[in-house]
Amino acid sequence: DAGVIQSPRHEVTEMGQEVTLRCKPISGHNSLFWYRQTMMRGLELLIYFNNNVPIDDSGMPEDRFSAKMPNASFSTLKIQPSEPRDSAVYFCASSLQGTLSSYNEQFFGPGTRLTVL
Amino acid sequence: KQEVTQIPAALSVPEGENLVLNCSFTDSAIYNLQWFRQDPGKGLTSLLLIQSSQREQTSGRLNASLDKSSGRSTLYIAASQPGDSATYLCAVAQGGKLIFGQGTELSVKP
Repeated sequence: DAGVIQSPRHEVTEMGQEVTLRCKPISGHNSLFWYRQTMMRGLELLIYFNNNVPIDDSGMPEDRFSAKMPNASFSTLKIQPSEPRDSAVYFCASSLQGTLSSYNEQFFGPGTRLTVL
Repeated sequence: KQEVTQIPAALSVPEGENLVLNCSFTDSAIYNLQWFRQDPGKGLTSLLLIQSSQREQTSGRLNASLDKSSGRSTLYIAASQPGDSATYLCAVAQGGKLIFGQGTELSVKP
């Protein structure tokens, strides 16, 4: 298996531009997570999906951030408009979860390093 | 609100030493605890996962323990090697998601 795939690996953009990050989870996994990592705040969960449905988006910082999962093999995280404080590494992870009361191992992608000038 | 703390924040040891990394959490109602390794500029690699009903897990030179009642976990690394240098993160599973500590940055000197 190729693991969790993220693109692009690096993104440099100017303030005000739209940014779209992409993720392909491990085949067969039914849960997908988007995280943001910064030196100041560490690793924070932004949103997660179960069977393509958003379950918890309480970590999404503001309305400029949106995430979609149109099918089991693809998800996007969009920032519009982007700001310098959005600069961070964004990780996608996936896992296989049986029921709401069970929890299984998460596998992380390599991340997208976003720089907003 | 669950809080996860890792001590120390950074650790430097000579090659060959056995070492212990610590993780504590405030709410014992967790499904499991997971230890990760992160190399600079890379993603997270899962090392060990301990279910809430378990006390420890072992993989090679790594041993992780879990004491839910006291809200503590330790990661023991035996006979450390320079290749073990990385940041180690613990995370507890609660409410269907992971809550991470800030990590311990480990440096193993040859």
